[in-house]
Amino acid sequence: EAGVTQSPTHLIKTRGQQATLRCSPISGHTSVYWYQQALGLGLQFLLWYDEGEERNRGNFPPRFSGRQFPNYSSELNVNALELEDSALYLCASRPRTSSETQYFGPGTRLLVL
Amino acid sequence: GESVGLHLPTLSVQEGDNSIINCAYSNSASDYFIWYKQESGKGPQFIIDIRSNMDKRQGQRVTVLLNKTVKHLSLQIAATQPGDSAVYFCAENMDTGRRALTFGSGTRLQVQP
Repeated sequence: EAGVTQSPTHLIKTRGQQATLRCSPISGHTSVYWYQQALGLGLQFLLWYDEGEERNRGNFPPRFSGRQFPNYSSELNVNALELEDSALYLCASRPRTSSETQYFGPGTRLLVL
Repeated sequence: GESVGLHLPTLSVQEGDNSIINCAYSNSASDYFIWYKQESGKGPQFIIDIRSNMDKRQGQRVTVLLNKTVKHLSLQIAATQPGDSAVYFCAENMDTGRRALTFGSGTRLQVQP
């Protein structure tokens, strides 16, 4: 069974541009979470999507947004990129059951110049 | 505020020894805890989890201990191997409505041959 996949693996942008990151969850998983991991730091919760709806978001500005598609894949969009947005962006998925266990993808490393 | 933190940022052990990674949490209402392993350039990998109604859970070479009295969580790795070298994160689900994990800052485990 394939795990969580993310694309692209690396992304280089300049300040002010927009970035789009993609995530495909494990088959059968309906919830998708996005986390930001800045260099040397822990994971910060960004967004949670379930059944196509945004269920909750972390303490990030509105220029971080996303969506979940009918096939449960998800996009994370970051507008007006700032230098401090450079980080590893991780996607995790969780099954429909009540389990809290999240399974992570390999991440997209975003570099803002 | 609530937080999940780690006592030791770096732990160095000899191959074959047992490793103990510690984690403190501050929210006594947290009901689920999980340990992840993150190797360089990869996403976090699930190791083991435990619910608050348990104080010990064992997996293959790993044991998680939960002490609710002092709000302490630990991960024990038996017969540590070079492949265990990674950053280990503890995480808690302290907001069941949000169903997002709050991560600690991580401990780097270095296994010396």
